[in-house]
Amino acid sequence: GAVVSQHPSWVICKSGTSVKIECRSLDFQATTMFWYRQFPKQSLMLMATSNEGSKATYEQGVEKDKFLINHASLTLSTLTVTSAHPEDSSFYICSGRKTGGRGAFFGQGTRLTVV
Amino acid sequence: DAKTTQPNSMESNEEEPVHLPCNHSTISGTDYIHWYRQLPSQGPEYVIHGLTSNVNNRMASLAIAEDRKSSTLILHRATLRDAAVYYCILNYGGSQGNLIFGKGTKLSVKP
Repeated sequence: GAVVSQHPSWVICKSGTSVKIECRSLDFQATTMFWYRQFPKQSLMLMATSNEGSKATYEQGVEKDKFLINHASLTLSTLTVTSAHPEDSSFYICSGRKTGGRGAFFGQGTRLTVV
Repeated sequence: DAKTTQPNSMESNEEEPVHLPCNHSTISGTDYIHWYRQLPSQGPEYVIHGLTSNVNNRMASLAIAEDRKSSTLILHRATLRDAAVYYCILNYGGSQGNLIFGKGTKLSVKP
């Protein structure tokens, strides 16, 4: 199957700082990338969908100015959590979909802890 | 996106088959049925997907009801490494649909 790599796997940051998470499709071109957030013992919640070269589409209730998504190439998308606060601590997961494909391939996730 | 209903949890013994059910009574004609699983502290892993016919791959089998309102993921011989949360998701037939996760079924495998 196709491989999606996220970096970093975990990060600890101070409250008020910004954190960038990278998501790379290693062996395929991801026309569409998805970003999810998962709190402990809960399911994945879709945050936003981005198509290469276009602005991301955010789900209701997700602040686009706080969670900046860039999908500048077919193999790279980034999520920047700006002015992070402890309540932003969560497991962030990206996934990529091949051009014309169904389903998606997921990264291993990034554990963000804001202290 | 159409919704799915799965049992919260199931238990199985190692080396025995496991049948994980999923109800999707509001499925539309173009919705594909996808199954993913998630091990603790990892991203979801693709398991299998299908539209109308039953599907087999090296990981599992997918049995789809004739009216497509339900499906069953079959693990033929459960191993301890199969312990995970299994998600049944419907996805629009083209490449436009989002993957919306429900609560999934937490599968425990006993040695």
